Formats: sequence, C-alpha cells, structure tokens
Amino acid sequence: ETGVTQTPRHLVMGMTNKKSLKCEQHLGHNAMYWYKQSAKKPLELMFVYSLEERVENNSVPSRFSPECPNSSHLFLHLHTLQPEDSALYLCASSLRTSGNEQFFGPGTRLTVL
Amino acid sequence: GQQLNQSPQSMFIQEGEDVSMNCTSSSIFNTWLWYKQEPGEGPVLLIALYKAGELTSNGRLTAQFGITRKDSFLNISASIPSDVGIYFCAGQNTDKLIFGTGTRLQVFP
Repeated sequence: ETGVTQTPRHLVMGMTNKKSLKCEQHLGHNAMYWYKQSAKKPLELMFVYSLEERVENNSVPSRFSPECPNSSHLFLHLHTLQPEDSALYLCASSLRTSGNEQFFGPGTRLTVL
Repeated sequence: GQQLNQSPQSMFIQEGEDVSMNCTSSSIFNTWLWYKQEPGEGPVLLIALYKAGELTSNGRLTAQFGITRKDSFLNISASIPSDVGIYFCAGQNTDKLIFGTGTRLQVFP
C-alpha cells in the first residue's frame, strides 16, 4: 500500500449507531487531518494531529471523536450522528503541520439515515 | 475568517481548448496549492507554489503564484477528456490550508 488509505469507502448508518472511520498513511508523515466535504461547500477542516497530539479542533460537535494512536493511523469515531452529517470524510497527511503539501486519501462516503 | 474566491464555478469546454481558472483572497498566503478531485476520490495534488511570482508547470498544467500573494492562477492547455473533475485551489499560511469552492470542469469530445 502506498499513500493515504481510508476504510470503509462507503458507510450507511442510523442515527443511533456507533461506527469508526480509519485512515492510514504510508508516507512517513508526522501530521494527519480530518476534513468534511459537503456538496457545494469548501472543504472543512475538522481535526489536526501532529505527532499523535491533537493540535486543532475546529468546533466540531462531540459526536465526532478522533483518535491518533500513532503517526501512521488516524480514526474518527462516530456516534448519534444526524442526517446533516452525511458527507465525504477525507483524511490527509503532511510531513509537518506548517508549510507542507497535504496528501489526501480517497475518502469515506457517509450517509446517515 | 479567511476565504478564497475561486472562479469560474464551472466550465464546459471542447476537447483541445485551453482552460484558465483563478483564486483570489483578501489575505496573503505563503503557499498556494492546486488540487484535482475526480468523482469518488480524494483531491490529488497537482502543483505547489512557494514564492510570489513563481510560475510552475506540470505537463499541460501551469500555475502561477500572484505577485501580491493574494491570488493564484491555473491554466490547462489542450484539454483532453480525462481533465474532467473539480479543481481546488488552497492557500496556506502558518499551519492551516484554506480551500476554494472549486471549479468543475467538463470536457466534451
């Protein structure tokens, strides 16, 4: 595997379910990110991790809970989501948080019923 | 907050035509990046620009970092059907990337 991978690619869940999104980067990067992409809106940064430490939380509701066990893996735990949370969730990584290009995974298409 | 205005929002062109799109901001950026996103995939980095006035090419793609550091341009020459997708600009200063709303490109044979 190379680059940034995300699983699952598609997820349908009810509002009472608990699920997790997984991201793995094989680039030796130290920073990882979660973004939300909704139709006709710019990419919204959700969380930033640098060397497994959360350095940014962009006022994201607590029903989204990130976890970064090491610099190669990033999770987004989901619980009691709302239909408006349906979107493409993108993971990205970069060498450092400042001044470096971010490389994106293919995303998880989430539908909340 | 910082915003990037990207235009045009969409383009419908014929194969072989050249394409131009741009991003402008009220803020100064130290880095400009251009990404392409195809359906069902994440954005893929096309070109990175680090210096005001810099002009960089990647095959048929050419991007420029505006002298004022508040804008950037992307040109695609001799478009082909596989150029179809959404093109995003992104500006960075400190540690945050700000994305434009994208330009949707359709290429007809």
